[in-house]
Amino acid sequence: QSALTQPASVSGSPGQSITISCTGTSSDVGGYNYVSWYQQHPGKAPKLMIYDVTKRPSGVSNRFSGSKSGNTASLTISGLQAEDEADYYCSAYTSSSTLVFGGGTKLTVL
Amino acid sequence: VQLLESGGGLVQPGGSLRLSCAASGFTFSSYAMSWVRQAPGKGMEWVSAISGSGAGTYYADSVKGRFTISRDNSRNTLYLQMNSLRAEDTAIYYCAKDLNWLEAFDLWGHGTMVTVSS
Repeated sequence: QSALTQPASVSGSPGQSITISCTGTSSDVGGYNYVSWYQQHPGKAPKLMIYDVTKRPSGVSNRFSGSKSGNTASLTISGLQAEDEADYYCSAYTSSSTLVFGGGTKLTVL
Repeated sequence: VQLLESGGGLVQPGGSLRLSCAASGFTFSSYAMSWVRQAPGKGMEWVSAISGSGAGTYYADSVKGRFTISRDNSRNTLYLQMNSLRAEDTAIYYCAKDLNWLEAFDLWGHGTMVTVSS
């Protein structure tokens, strides 16, 4: 199972919005609504930010939102803040009953 | 509510290691669990998952036939038996609680480091 495709890096200024894409196939991203997004700060465990494409766990800021079109899912962060600087990973359930992650995107807040 | 991994360390290529993950604060037997690993400076890779009862298990192709996931619901503990270890298995290994079968991981441990080197 090949990793999902994410941009290696994105950047934005405080207050701006950014979008991170996550491209897979019809056997994973496009085939199911089990797409999740995780935030990981250096040296820390990942944190669930979005699940089931668009849902936010309790306690996650509504500045984080998710969407999907075809085989590409997206994470949008609005009103960028310094603490949003981190690595972001998408994941998707696959037709083989396994899970695949994206390669990760480093978000820099300028 | 937490997960606490243990059992990592330095092992020679071809060797074995067993990781443990102690769960607390939730009904352990009600949830599927997974192991996810992250090589130094690299992205995350799903390794294996097990259903709440332990009856169902799945593996990534990269570890199939070498790793075995199991759980003891009476001890609220998840395990990963790793055999025939290779240099490319070097990573931080996280255990993670699943919302549903591979739906999303809403609770992660702090991770345990496994280094495979001679």
